Amino acid sequence: DAGVTQSPTHLIKTRGQQVTLRCSPISGHKSVSWYQQVLGQGPQFIFQYYEKEERGRGNFPDRFSARQFPNYSSELNVNALLLGDSALYLCASSSRTGKLYGYTFGSGTRLTVV
Amino acid sequence: DQQVKQNSPSLSVQEGRISILNCDYTNSMFDYFLWYKKYPAEGPTFLISISSIKDKNEDGRFTVFLNKSAKHLSLHIVPSQPGDSAVYFCAASISESSNTGKLIFGQGTTLQVKP
Repeated sequence: DAGVTQSPTHLIKTRGQQVTLRCSPISGHKSVSWYQQVLGQGPQFIFQYYEKEERGRGNFPDRFSARQFPNYSSELNVNALLLGDSALYLCASSSRTGKLYGYTFGSGTRLTVV
Repeated sequence: DQQVKQNSPSLSVQEGRISILNCDYTNSMFDYFLWYKKYPAEGPTFLISISSIKDKNEDGRFTVFLNKSAKHLSLHIVPSQPGDSAVYFCAASISESSNTGKLIFGQGTTLQVKP
């Protein structure tokens, strides 16, 4: 079975541009979470979606938005990119919401803003 | 405000010996803790977890200990193997946010196991 797949794997954008990152969860998983990992830090929670509804939002500006589609795949959008948005963006899926149902992470999208 | 801290950025141990990775937290509301391992160019992989109602959980070579009074947990790997070399993240969550999927991660500890 395919794991969590994220695309693209690497991306270079210019400051001020917009970017869309994509995530396909494990088949049957209805929950998708997004995390940002800056170099040298642990992942930081951005969003969780379950059954196409936003269930949680981390401490990120409104430039960050996301959505989940009927097939449970998800997109993370970041507008007006800043140099500080350079990071590894991780998507995680699980079969249900809640901490007790362990999350499987994808390999991430490495975003570089220049 | 770093609620989950891993104060040792790196740890080096000899193959066959014990590796002990430490994690401290400040929020007494945390009631579930997890350890993840991450290799370069891969996403974090779940290793082991523990609920706050327990003080120990064991899975093969991996054991997690929780000391609630000290707000401290540790991951023991015995015996350590070269394939264990990776970055280890401690993470915590709160029951009330169980429906939001929010995990709070530490900064990570890079473990190197020397042959």
